[in-house]
Amino acid sequence: NAGVMQNPRHLVRRRGQEARLRCSPMKGHSHVYWYRQLPEEGLKFMVYLQKENIIDESGMPKERFSAEFPKEGPSILRIQQVVRGDSAAYFCASSPAEDSPLHFGNGTRLTVT
Amino acid sequence: SQQGEEDPQALSIQEGENATMNCSYKTSINNLQWYRQNSGRGLVHLILIRSNEREKHSGRLRVTLDTSKKSSSLLITASRAADTASYFCVPSSGGYQKVTFGTGTKLQVIP
Repeated sequence: NAGVMQNPRHLVRRRGQEARLRCSPMKGHSHVYWYRQLPEEGLKFMVYLQKENIIDESGMPKERFSAEFPKEGPSILRIQQVVRGDSAAYFCASSPAEDSPLHFGNGTRLTVT
Repeated sequence: SQQGEEDPQALSIQEGENATMNCSYKTSINNLQWYRQNSGRGLVHLILIRSNEREKHSGRLRVTLDTSKKSSSLLITASRAADTASYFCVPSSGGYQKVTFGTGTKLQVIP
């Protein structure tokens, strides 16, 4: 059973470009979370999704950031018009049920130049 | 959601020794979880202890929970170099895992 798969592992974007981060949850998991980690800091919650629904996006900036988890295919975290402050590691996690422990991917490291 | 506070911030021990790290939290919980993060990798769930449990074991891991003091400890026995990582505690009130991670305890095990 493959773990949570995130791609790409590393992504470099120039200021103003768009970044699309993908996450395939573990098989059988319908709950997906996105977290952001700045250097030397803990992970910060961004958004929680279930299939086709955004349940809680309270940790995600209102502008430029969006997330989706379609019926078919991976979850996508999209950052439009990236700025240097968006440089961070973005982690996706999934779980089989609402209150189950999280299974994390190895993250996507976004660098904005 | 609430955030656990891990102590110490950093810990360096020799291989074979035991490592103990502590966690404090502020409000009542349904369960408390411990995670490990190796450098450059995602977090790995280690163990979950429920509020009605006082102690739990998993391999070389031993977790205690004292809800009256709002604290937990993680003991790693007979440490190995591969245990070198950051460790995080996550107090949870139940429901979906909108958890907040602190800065963790950075453990270094010297071979």
